[in-house]
Amino acid sequence: RKEVEQDPGPFNVPEGATVAFNCTYSNSASQSFFWYRQDCRKEPKLLMSVYSSGNEDGRFTAQLNRASQYISLLIRDSKLSDSATYLCVVKGNNNDMRFGAGTRLTVKP
Amino acid sequence: NAGVTQTPKFQVLKTGQSMTLQCAQDMNHEYMSWYRQDPGMGLRLIHYSVGAGITDQGEVPNGYNVSRSTTEDFPLRLLSAAPSQTSVYFCASSYLGQRYEQYFGPGTRLTVT
Repeated sequence: RKEVEQDPGPFNVPEGATVAFNCTYSNSASQSFFWYRQDCRKEPKLLMSVYSSGNEDGRFTAQLNRASQYISLLIRDSKLSDSATYLCVVKGNNNDMRFGAGTRLTVKP
Repeated sequence: NAGVTQTPKFQVLKTGQSMTLQCAQDMNHEYMSWYRQDPGMGLRLIHYSVGAGITDQGEVPNGYNVSRSTTEDFPLRLLSAAPSQTSVYFCASSYLGQRYEQYFGPGTRLTVT
């Protein structure tokens, strides 16, 4: 079983739609959680950290459920520019980060 | 602020050749790491370092060596290239500590024929 698992998609949604991505992790000792965004043939860039109480950044909302070892990302009012691959990232005790394979999102006009 | 830089951007090697991928950061980050990204598999950690003089293995270290003589530089050496090492390689850095995210370089696309 992979340490971090994501639905690979692809998700194809119209502009303005709400879309949710899910991620599960296997290491219960994991300390920190992040969502990264990766555009085609580019490096990953931090979208947002995920806090235990849940957090929101504009149209983006991240949730963490430690008991179920589950992370989610909600995107509201999707824009064309949101088209990318979204990577779920879990950080362990040694500062090493484990990545999910990514969920691909395409937002269409 | 240059952030994390990597050279070269593209490289083609023949099987058995050796080479070094360069990585440098100017943010005074203690932690540096190397990943490879293959289709459908996400990023996998090759080696990492928590400071100058300290390195450790990640998930997929075989066939690669690293060293960390300075805070800024963290080169990755391919000892004897194999077609299975065809991949995109990313270097990343961060401050030590759980809440800090990693910053990535632009990547090196390596093809081994």
